[in-house]
Amino acid sequence: SYELTQPPSVSVSPGQTARISCSGNKLEDKYVTWYQQRSGQSPVLVIYQDDKRPSGIPERFSGSTSGNTATLTIRGTQAMDEADYYCQTWFTSTGVFGTGTKVTVL
Amino acid sequence: QVQLVQSGAQVKKPGASVKVSCKASGFTFGDYYIHWVRQTPGQGLEWMGWIDPDYGDTNYAPRFQGRVTLTRDTSMNTAYMGLSGLRSDDTAVYYCAKDLRQKGMYGMDVWGQGTTVSVS
Repeated sequence: SYELTQPPSVSVSPGQTARISCSGNKLEDKYVTWYQQRSGQSPVLVIYQDDKRPSGIPERFSGSTSGNTATLTIRGTQAMDEADYYCQTWFTSTGVFGTGTKVTVL
Repeated sequence: QVQLVQSGAQVKKPGASVKVSCKASGFTFGDYYIHWVRQTPGQGLEWMGWIDPDYGDTNYAPRFQGRVTLTRDTSMNTAYMGLSGLRSDDTAVYYCAKDLRQKGMYGMDVWGQGTTVSVS
């Protein structure tokens, strides 16, 4: 099986930059997708194909991948960005989610 | 607009089966895979499988193989997730989600509101 590992939590001050990592074996060979899930809500797609942003997602969200690690970056973090974030990829046509990271805006 | 509307919450006994529906609107149902994802209380997201509504082809996560069945009714633009042999640890919110691109696995861009299944 395949695993994606994320830090359990990230804290950030309003207006600062939050970086969330996602590690997996040979992750650079796969596309990574990122989802935001606010408390009590359904997940929302924020980044797909490593670094593409769907329409309606603010420019402060960006994604990148290098080696075995993908990173979701939130620049100028706002209170509304406080949520759980999950990375996701495909391994032999099977979906795999990361362990999830809780972003707290202090 | 593009949306997925799921059926309501259900309570089941251990050993029973459950079937959750997901009605699609605002897009061509047959063109996009429908994924099913669950979230147990206080835990993360877990991918269960996808169905190609056009041909009915399916792919299941290994841990659910043999217990989960994904089906669809193209006349109703509705996908279904059936789970058998329910256990207490199947208590979760079950989501359906539409794939981002046609005929492939690229990510899930539209999600249903979730259906709570309680096993007790």
